[in-house]
Amino acid sequence: ETGVTQTPRHLVMGMTNKKSLKCEQHLGHNAMYWYKQSAKKPLELMFVYNFKEQTENNSVPSRFSPECPNSSHLFLHLHTLQPEDSALYLCASSQDIAGASYEQYFGPGTRLTVT
Amino acid sequence: DQQVKQNSPSLSVQEGRISILNCDYTNSMFDYFLWYKKYPAEGPTFLISISSIKDKNEDGRFTVFLNKSAKHLSLHIVPSQPGDSAVYFCAARGQGSSNTGKLIFGQGTTLQVKP
Repeated sequence: ETGVTQTPRHLVMGMTNKKSLKCEQHLGHNAMYWYKQSAKKPLELMFVYNFKEQTENNSVPSRFSPECPNSSHLFLHLHTLQPEDSALYLCASSQDIAGASYEQYFGPGTRLTVT
Repeated sequence: DQQVKQNSPSLSVQEGRISILNCDYTNSMFDYFLWYKKYPAEGPTFLISISSIKDKNEDGRFTVFLNKSAKHLSLHIVPSQPGDSAVYFCAARGQGSSNTGKLIFGQGTTLQVKP
């Protein structure tokens, strides 16, 4: 596999469920990101990890819990979500978070529906 | 307050002509700007970037222009092809975010290139 992969591609969950989104990058990058895209809104950064350390938490509610066990894998654990959390969740990676190697490469996203 | 704005939600051009996508920003501390393209059911794809110390960057059919005094950047696609039909996002990185990896995205402009 190449690039950035995300599983599952689609997820429907109830408000009391616990689920996890998975992201894997095969690019040898050091930084990974979670974004949320709601309908009619810009991409919104959620979390950034650089060399497995979290460098950014964009005031995300605690019902979203990220995990980065290594530079190639990133998880987003979901629990007690609300219907307004329904959105496209995108993972991205980059070689670094600064300098010229900053361009982020995105996965296809997970379409999440909370019922 | 939205710091990166794409005021045109859609643009339609004829194949072979020039497509010009515009983006305005409010934060003069942004040091890096990027353009992404997104097809339905796929994640955004990096297109081209420009540092704030430059006013132009060209890559094949794609050229990005930066006018810092006007806080405006544009993406030119020449010649436009039907395969360019997609949603285009501009994004910016603040100097203060150079060690956190945070990008701020515009709302996107849907480009339709007619054969």
